[in-house]
Amino acid sequence: AQSVAQPEDQVNVAEGNPLTVKCTYSVSGNPYLFWYVQYPNRGLQFLLKYITGDNLVKGSYGFEAEFNKSQTSFHLKKPSALVSDSALYFCAVRVLNRDDKIIFGKGTRLHILP
Amino acid sequence: DSGVTQTPKHLITATGQRVTLRCSPRSGDLSVYWYQQSLDQGLQFLIQYYNGEERAKGNILERFSAQQFPDLHSELNLSSLELGDSALYFCASSVIGTNTYNEQFFGPGTRLTVL
Repeated sequence: AQSVAQPEDQVNVAEGNPLTVKCTYSVSGNPYLFWYVQYPNRGLQFLLKYITGDNLVKGSYGFEAEFNKSQTSFHLKKPSALVSDSALYFCAVRVLNRDDKIIFGKGTRLHILP
Repeated sequence: DSGVTQTPKHLITATGQRVTLRCSPRSGDLSVYWYQQSLDQGLQFLIQYYNGEERAKGNILERFSAQQFPDLHSELNLSSLELGDSALYFCASSVIGTNTYNEQFFGPGTRLTVL
């Protein structure tokens, strides 16, 4: 069965430090991977996606993610965190088959400390 | 602004009642998805429609139903409401519904409170 795991419920990072939000996946085919962000009282916003090609994907707001096939991971990163990055982050995976769906992880709450 | 609209923004009702949530997708998007977000269950996929037809089903209860109309807007009907149905309900849309890797665009959500 397809699944996505975000092993950390919460990540705390000091402003200006690099941040990483972890995501691992389990699929039976080629994965299409996504990161979304949810600010308080808002819907999810698309950040970036990996389809194929370069393993390092760049997205919105200075975020990037690295696809690692051998470790089945797709960690979200940013070189220098901002307080405004504090939000709930979701990793998602989609595998195209007859009944394709997008599976979301349970989310990681990112706190950037001033 | 994602271009996806949802109404109402808030809904307060009583157990046993029935409500309808409405979603208008982004212009040109044929596919609509419904999700339920609660504190204990996280973000759960409910159902997907593509150009008026049901395409995929997730963890949707039998008390819940949805449809997509010819103008592509969608409605999610929740009946015999229980306290546990209190949650945020999101609608999302994407360009096409299958054989695609396009991202989904989410609406602002409807917060349902069942008392």
